[in-house]
Amino acid sequence: NAGVTQTPKFQVLKTGQSMTLQCAQDMNHEYMSWYRQDPGMGLRLIHYSVGAGITDQGEVPNGYNVSRSTTEDFPLRLLSAAPSQTSVYFCASSYARGTGGSPLHFGNGTRLTVT
Amino acid sequence: EDKVVQSPLSLVVHEGDTVTLNCSYEVTNFRSLLWYKQEKKAPTFLFMLTSSGIEKKSGRLSSILDKKELSSILNITATQTGDSAIYLCAVALRTGAGSYQLTFGKGTKLSVIP
Repeated sequence: NAGVTQTPKFQVLKTGQSMTLQCAQDMNHEYMSWYRQDPGMGLRLIHYSVGAGITDQGEVPNGYNVSRSTTEDFPLRLLSAAPSQTSVYFCASSYARGTGGSPLHFGNGTRLTVT
Repeated sequence: EDKVVQSPLSLVVHEGDTVTLNCSYEVTNFRSLLWYKQEKKAPTFLFMLTSSGIEKKSGRLSSILDKKELSSILNITATQTGDSAIYLCAVALRTGAGSYQLTFGKGTKLSVIP
């Protein structure tokens, strides 16, 4: 059982480059989300989705785009990378759509460095 | 603005000690409170506490939700070096879209010394 799979594990970008962080889950979860984790800042929500075709912004959405064309996949796009986007990115999913927050299952993270 | 505050931010104890980690929240549309343990990679789920389940226990770990005080504690008894990790508290909030989102605290870094 793969769970939540994130690729790549590590990435180095130059300022201004674009890239897509991939996230796939095989648990048929409706809810998927992206977080970034910075030292001393905890996990901050970037974007989330409650089902295919539905996305919404979290706490820190600027500079990131998402789409949800299938239940399984939820890619995160950086349109023009900036050094402030250097962080560890986690994708997470869960069953619940509106039933009170069932536990999130996290991927192993992508460590992104923007120079 | 929704807020989740954890204390202390870091803690060093000796093996065998008992520790209590704190989480307080100021949020609208509270649904549940969750505790996670993060070692080197992804956070792993420990407990979820709701209005209908305000106390949970698993082995040496236990957690209580105080809805009146808007807070929760995570207790770890007889600590072991394997308990060294960052412990994250998160609150699930109902959003206007009829779904929810999690807001995390900054975490408590626990170090257990042999």
